[in-house]
Amino acid sequence: QVQLVESGGGVVQPGGSLRLSCKASGFTFTTYGMHWVRQAPGKGLEWVAFIRSDGSDTHYADSVKGRFTISRDNSKNTVLLQMNSLKVEDTAVYFCAREETSSMFGVVISHYFDYWGQGSLVTVSS
Amino acid sequence: EIVLTQSPGTLSLSPGERATLSCRASHTLSSTYLVWYQKKPGQPPRLLIYGASSRATGIPDRFSGSGSGTDFTLTISALEPEDFAVYYCQQSSSYTFGQGTRLEIK
Repeated sequence: QVQLVESGGGVVQPGGSLRLSCKASGFTFTTYGMHWVRQAPGKGLEWVAFIRSDGSDTHYADSVKGRFTISRDNSKNTVLLQMNSLKVEDTAVYFCAREETSSMFGVVISHYFDYWGQGSLVTVSS
Repeated sequence: EIVLTQSPGTLSLSPGERATLSCRASHTLSSTYLVWYQKKPGQPPRLLIYGASSRATGIPDRFSGSGSGTDFTLTISALEPEDFAVYYCQQSSSYTFGQGTRLEIK
């Protein structure tokens, strides 16, 4: 069965760095784009970053652009989120998610996140 | 950037009642890019509906999605106790979420 397991969360001071990892299993990792989504305490869901299946393309939310880097190691079925220059407002549970697509006549017409990890808590505090 | 606005912020209903949740886009959105998730405390989000109206695998048929253009709706035909949660719409062209609707027991 599909599993996504995040790790690497913890407490860090403002300005510090942290690296999250998401280990995937139960599916052909190399054929799926992957995302990070976060939820701050008492707040809604916020999309953070995306990486294409082969790692050739990445996208970021404006709130993290220039500070966070998403990458993947397809030999280890792992997606990473390097978080630098952390701010108090980055405090959140971070989820990794698999992107599934639907196609019609060979054209992708729909994207959605069909499997999610349980999340990893990042706390930025002095 | 397309902004999604969900209403109401909180919906108070009783088990067995019908729930209607709204998601309005700031610009016309292809229905293929509209997704709904359910979120409970301490759990990851759960995919409910994609392409505005296609139920995800294993989702009960009391959940249905509809809409086009800028107005989309998630309907739960008869609420079960496990349906009380927060619901988010998402536009998957740039992945942004609405702010959520909290469905609470009346």
